[in-house]
Amino acid sequence: EPEVTQTPSHQVTQMGQEVILRCVPISNHLYFYWYRQILGQKVEFLVSFYNNEISEKSEIFDDQFSVERPDGSNFTLKIRSTKLEDSAMYFCASSDQTVKASEQYFGPGTRLTVT
Amino acid sequence: AQSVSQHNHHVILSEAASLELGCNYSYGGTVNLFWYVQYPGQHLQLLLKYFSGDPLVKGIKGFEAEFIKSKFSFNLRKPSVQWSDTAEYFCAVNANNAGNMLTFGGGTRLMVKP
Repeated sequence: EPEVTQTPSHQVTQMGQEVILRCVPISNHLYFYWYRQILGQKVEFLVSFYNNEISEKSEIFDDQFSVERPDGSNFTLKIRSTKLEDSAMYFCASSDQTVKASEQYFGPGTRLTVT
Repeated sequence: AQSVSQHNHHVILSEAASLELGCNYSYGGTVNLFWYVQYPGQHLQLLLKYFSGDPLVKGIKGFEAEFIKSKFSFNLRKPSVQWSDTAEYFCAVNANNAGNMLTFGGGTRLMVKP
């Protein structure tokens, strides 16, 4: 069964450094998402991406965050200058249709630790 | 803004016991509803979803959920749990005016004792 994959599984970085989290969505999917879960808190929506542009984003997704689909298979989340509060599990998801017609498939997550 | 509440944070059951996990949401319009499960060390997987039609939805592994619009609820049920159901369960809601964003509840950690 096709799966969403994410690399790395764990990333440790120093405050102020840039990080790029990578995701390979399911190959025929068109909609891509990033969510995060700070330890002990809810899973929170960050951004959705369709047709090579951001379709919606949450308040969390400020100017420090950006997303890109650099080629036909990868979908990346970049945090320009990490803060301690960016420490969280970051989940990538993809779907073949909008969420009103299809489920979102989630990857295993990247645990980001900012020190 | 929409919100989702799961009132049970931790549930411990013995095998063969019946399960009901509560999920309530705050949004008055049309919603799409989901239950996801995360087994230890694994990624979030869809258990079941409701878009429209019969409010009693059957999912994988013997789970079902009932959408009660008047109560803004979408509770998850299973008549007889197994040790392998030990996992964290997340309710998620997409409001029709919220694009493709899923709003998640806080999760319920279920432990089934053999």
